Amino acid sequence: AQSVAQPEDQVNVAEGNPLTVKCTYSVSGNPYLFWYVQYPNRGLQFLLKYITGDNLVKGSYGFEAEFNKSQTSFHLKKPSALVSDSALYFCAVLEENTGNQFYFGTGTSLTVIP
Amino acid sequence: DGGITQSPKYLFRKEGQNVTLSCEQNLNHDAMYWYRQDPGQGLRLIYYSQIVNDFQKGDIAEGYSVSREKKESFPLTVTSAQKNPTAFYLCASSISSGAKTQYFGPGTRLLVL
Repeated sequence: AQSVAQPEDQVNVAEGNPLTVKCTYSVSGNPYLFWYVQYPNRGLQFLLKYITGDNLVKGSYGFEAEFNKSQTSFHLKKPSALVSDSALYFCAVLEENTGNQFYFGTGTSLTVIP
Repeated sequence: DGGITQSPKYLFRKEGQNVTLSCEQNLNHDAMYWYRQDPGQGLRLIYYSQIVNDFQKGDIAEGYSVSREKKESFPLTVTSAQKNPTAFYLCASSISSGAKTQYFGPGTRLLVL
């Protein structure tokens, strides 16, 4: 069965410091991995995805994520956090060749402190 | 949010009433999805459709119904059988092959009077 875990409900970081939002996944086959961001009362916005190839994926707004197959992780990172990065972040997995159903984590609320 | 519209933004339901949430996309995507979002539970799949006139139940389909008569439209009806409908409802769409990134609408918040 496919699943995603986001072990931290809440992450706080000071403005200008690097941030990391953690995600681990479980699939039988090859994963497609995604990160989305959600601002209050808004839909999810796509940030980046991993399909294959380079383990370091760069996305929107300066975010990047590193795929680690041995640790089954796909952590979201940014070198220098902005107050405007404060939002809810979701990791999702889609197993290759299994149809269209995504599995989402429960979300991590990021607060960047000025 | 561009390319997918949801209406209304807020919807109030009375006991025993069916209500319909609208979702329209102009991205020419074949696949469309409905999710329910509750605090602390992430997104749960209600229904999805990979092609016109075809749809499948997701993890929490009970008390909901959908139709897919046009490629652009995938309305969700919350029936009176859904006893706890208060939630944020999100519609998404994607292509049907490859990595299938899902793109989301702005959401509809459903409240019970």
